[in-house]
Amino acid sequence: EAQVTQNPRYLITVTGKKLTVTCSQNMNHEYMSWYRQDPGLGLRQIYYSMNVEATDKGDVPEGYKVSRKEKRNFPLILESPSPNQTSLYFCASSLGSKGGPGRATDTQYFGPGTRLTVL
Amino acid sequence: QKEVEQDPGPLSVPEGAIVSLNCTYSNSAFQYFMWYRQYSRKGPELLMYTYSSGNKEDGRFTAQVDKSSKYISLFIRDSQPSDSATYLCAMSPRRNTPLVFGKGTRLSVIA
Repeated sequence: EAQVTQNPRYLITVTGKKLTVTCSQNMNHEYMSWYRQDPGLGLRQIYYSMNVEATDKGDVPEGYKVSRKEKRNFPLILESPSPNQTSLYFCASSLGSKGGPGRATDTQYFGPGTRLTVL
Repeated sequence: QKEVEQDPGPLSVPEGAIVSLNCTYSNSAFQYFMWYRQYSRKGPELLMYTYSSGNKEDGRFTAQVDKSSKYISLFIRDSQPSDSATYLCAMSPRRNTPLVFGKGTRLSVIA
């Protein structure tokens, strides 16, 4: 089944304790991204990656790191989490640049979300 | 002015009603327009996709883009309780660039 998976789905941690949220897709997608979703603020992009070893900042990158060493994986790293990073996080992927613009190539498939609480 | 404005609702309608959801935007460079549907405790899923202007119809759903007015709409005909979800508009100026999302409109369709 084509899907984007995230782990863990729920995480409660304390300020300053490094954590990693994993994201994996099995669709051979080039483009992957991380979003956070907060009440009243909607979905905001944290980082995105056009392909392996190619990452770039989104709208709210402060306090986050990412890496893209393999095409299928795009982990989100919080080196020193703080309470303002309490949020619902989504990973997404899309086919990327292959082919012309269109629904098939531009659709972003979202993972199920990771609810993070930083105390 | 925020880049994308969307009324958060909530919007409550009876089953069978026609629903109109809207977003306005300020960036005239946006060319790719999408509507995502998000059920509670799930990730968003793409519902409609439009490149540039015009209308797109898919079953009970119609997406409209009016670039001159910087206004996009999603119409749902014969609404069903299963349509109860949050609807997010999203747009971008170029392919594979960050999507800018509206805050979402929460819709409840009452049987």
